[in-house]
Amino acid sequence: EPEVTQTPSHQVTQMGQEVILRCVPISNHLYFYWYRQILGQKVEFLVSFYNNEISEKSEIFDDQFSVERPDGSNFTLKIRSTKLEDSAMYFCASSTGWPNYGYTFGSGTRLTVV
Amino acid sequence: QQQVKQSPQSLIVQKGGISIINCAYENTAFDYFPWYQQFPGKGPALLIAIRPDVSEKKEGRFTISFNKSAKQFSLHIMDSQPGDSATYFCAAHRGSTLGRLYFGRGTQLTVWP
Repeated sequence: EPEVTQTPSHQVTQMGQEVILRCVPISNHLYFYWYRQILGQKVEFLVSFYNNEISEKSEIFDDQFSVERPDGSNFTLKIRSTKLEDSAMYFCASSTGWPNYGYTFGSGTRLTVV
Repeated sequence: QQQVKQSPQSLIVQKGGISIINCAYENTAFDYFPWYQQFPGKGPALLIAIRPDVSEKKEGRFTISFNKSAKQFSLHIMDSQPGDSATYFCAAHRGSTLGRLYFGRGTQLTVWP
């Protein structure tokens, strides 16, 4: 069964450092997303991406965050200057769109900012 | 503002019993309601989903009941098994292709053998 692949599975970084989280969405999906989940809390939307541009972003996705699809397969989330409160599980997801959406999540990257 | 409200926060069920998790929403623009199952350290995995034009959907031991007028939907797990022990999230998708998912806060289900 097709899956969304995320790397690395765990990243530890120092506060103020830049991190890049990588994702390979399902190949025939056109819509890409990043969500995050702080330990023990609900999954929260960060950003959606379609046709090489951001279609929607949440209030969490401030100027420190950016996304990119540098080639035909990868989808990345960059955090420019990490803060302690950025520590969370970051999930990439992809979707087929209407009508069934086919939303599929990756296994996540656990980001720990120290 | 919490778009999707989920209860209970935790649920303990005996093996073979029925697990019921409830969700409510306010936004009538939602057009797709999935349930996700999440094991520790893993991403949410789609379990079952329903559209608002259907009142019930069943897949194996999992059933979604949907009440459009009350803006509520629930997940029923029949014959609950210890392997079902996980966190379950309901979610709602806003009615556009590029819409995002709004998640409930999750229910930690424990099934005792």
